[in-house]
Amino acid sequence: QVQLQESGQGLVKPSETLSLTCTVSGGSVNSNNFYWSWIRQPPGKGLEYLGYIHYSGSTTYNPSLKSRVTISVDTSKNQFSLKLTSVTAADTAFYYCARERRGEGLLDFWGQGTLVTVSS
Amino acid sequence: EVVMTQSPATVSVSPGDRVTLSCRASERVSSILAWYQQKPGQPPRLLIYGASTRATGVPARFSGSGSGTEFILTISSLQSEDFAVYFCQQYNNWPRTFGQGTRVEIK
Repeated sequence: QVQLQESGQGLVKPSETLSLTCTVSGGSVNSNNFYWSWIRQPPGKGLEYLGYIHYSGSTTYNPSLKSRVTISVDTSKNQFSLKLTSVTAADTAFYYCARERRGEGLLDFWGQGTLVTVSS
Repeated sequence: EVVMTQSPATVSVSPGDRVTLSCRASERVSSILAWYQQKPGQPPRLLIYGASTRATGVPARFSGSGSGTEFILTISSLQSEDFAVYFCQQYNNWPRTFGQGTRVEIK
């Protein structure tokens, strides 16, 4: 059973960079069959798909955030990461990492999520 | 981007009731639609994909229908563990987009 676990800062100051890492166990990021994704959810609100990465390093980002978001992968550590620059209070959210089945678009495994608060 | 609109925002039902949740897409997405269930403090769980195919381990009381722009999730006989928020998601276009969710609460 694949498991994903987010880690990183819980509190980020406005204008700084949010950094999170997702560690994958029970499976490998080094697979052609999946994309590795980041999705966020402001408390009590809906879900926003930030982007995904393939193990080859190919990325796709949501145009609404494209200039601020970077997703990278470290196959040696079986991890992938999210960086979001110039954060504001609007970036306060639960951040989830997830696995998307390539070619199907389904998010079949999710991490438990981590709350990131943007505040001075 | 494709805007997904769910209705109602909240529905109050009793255990054993049949409940129908709606999802509308702002443009046609064929049958490329999924439903997720989210309970408090948990990530979303995939229930339905391809508009009508149940994911592994999902009980038969959950069913999905629709295509194009109009979709329905039906829970035939609500169980206590089904009280949750349900999201639809289109994955036909990028960016993938979700509805704002329908909360199923106990009457």
